[in-house]
Amino acid sequence: SAVISQKPSRDICQRGTSLTIQCQVDSQVTMMFWYRQQPGQSLTLIATANQGSEATYESGFVIDKFPISRPNLTFSTLTVSNMSPEDSSIYLCSVRKENGYTFGSGTRLTVV
Amino acid sequence: SQQGEEDPQALSIQEGENATMNCSYKTSINNLQWYRQNSGRGLVHLILIRSNEREKHSGRLRVTLDTSKKSSSLLITASRAADTASYFCATDASEYGNKLVFGAGTILRVKS
Repeated sequence: SAVISQKPSRDICQRGTSLTIQCQVDSQVTMMFWYRQQPGQSLTLIATANQGSEATYESGFVIDKFPISRPNLTFSTLTVSNMSPEDSSIYLCSVRKENGYTFGSGTRLTVV
Repeated sequence: SQQGEEDPQALSIQEGENATMNCSYKTSINNLQWYRQNSGRGLVHLILIRSNEREKHSGRLRVTLDTSKKSSSLLITASRAADTASYFCATDASEYGNKLVFGAGTILRVKS
């Protein structure tokens, strides 16, 4: 099964700045998924990242706020731009495998 | 909107007791999956049950699926303190573009 390395594991950022989160997968995958988990809430899908094409964003999420890169089949980044305290969440990447999904360990972001 | 709803929202039991969590969903599904999350970290895949299956076992875990009622349950037998975590059901449905949609989750606390 796939192993995902996600970093940073946590960060505290000033409002108005941006943070880029990285996910490295130990095998090639067609699609990578980015989720947000707000405090005390469940996971919400932000976007699906496909190699060689623009990411597909879910309702309520836009590319200007959450730009995504997918330069190859094993790597993706999510940037949280122009951050505000409302962006304080855990962000997780994920890949689909045969019998479920594998998730990165998450990035706990606090915006002050 | 989230596909799955879970109950209870929180559950507190003594070590050795069984814990049952329920999940309901709205549309026809391809499969339903259960995940565990410890302390707001990454999610761990527990079990996947396909729409044509009614019951699956994995160690101390037992999952049932009733597609007529659009519901699933996760039973953890002989619970341990290490089972303390949040548990989420997630559905894979064609209506949602085969993306994983999460329920609200159940917080389980096992007291030793």
